[in-house]
Amino acid sequence: DADVTQTPRNRITKTGKRIMLECSQTKGHDRMYWYRQDPGLGLRLIYYSFDVKDINKGEISDGYSVSRQAQAKFSLSLESAIPNQTALYFCATSERQTSYNEQFFGPGTRLTVL
Amino acid sequence: AQSVTQLGSHVSVSEGALVLLRCNYSSSVPPYLFWYVQYPNQGLQLLLKYTSAATLVKGINGFEAEFKKSETSFHLTKPSAHMSDAAEYFCAVSHTGNQFYFGTGTSLTVIP
Repeated sequence: DADVTQTPRNRITKTGKRIMLECSQTKGHDRMYWYRQDPGLGLRLIYYSFDVKDINKGEISDGYSVSRQAQAKFSLSLESAIPNQTALYFCATSERQTSYNEQFFGPGTRLTVL
Repeated sequence: AQSVTQLGSHVSVSEGALVLLRCNYSSSVPPYLFWYVQYPNQGLQLLLKYTSAATLVKGINGFEAEFKKSETSFHLTKPSAHMSDAAEYFCAVSHTGNQFYFGTGTSLTVIP
């Protein structure tokens, strides 16, 4: 079973709709992250959370919100989707303890906003 | 401020040839450096990481990278490319482990 799962894997929605992407992990990690990937731009950080009560904005948080429902769950919401939010979205996790934590990625959610 | 520059968004090599993917970083403090690989329709997985121990780092699948502070580089190499190496490769930098900054990626094509 995958350690980091994302649902849905693919989603097509319309402009103005609210949409939620979900991430769950069984690694027991404290830290969780949301990135978006666009061709030629690499991965850019949207939000990150170091524990349930600690949520931080990343590089491109405008138009997005998050919820850390539990240590294992971190959801990303688009309140009113727009076409330039069409992208591949990744959730990632990392441990708290080591100072050079590698990140473990989910399989991604491909979102298309029409 | 931290950033990563990957030179060459597309690299093509023949099967059996040397693979060299370039990464330069900027960081105000000694960084931690990572290479990730992304196969089609998959998430990223760690190839190797530099954490201030040995400057030559060996990773999975025969890849290695050398940290060169004087050149602020962390280039990824593999002596002999295999068809299965075709993927997108990302260099990333972090100095605390709290946030990662990713490069824009290099797509590797292996020609039979």
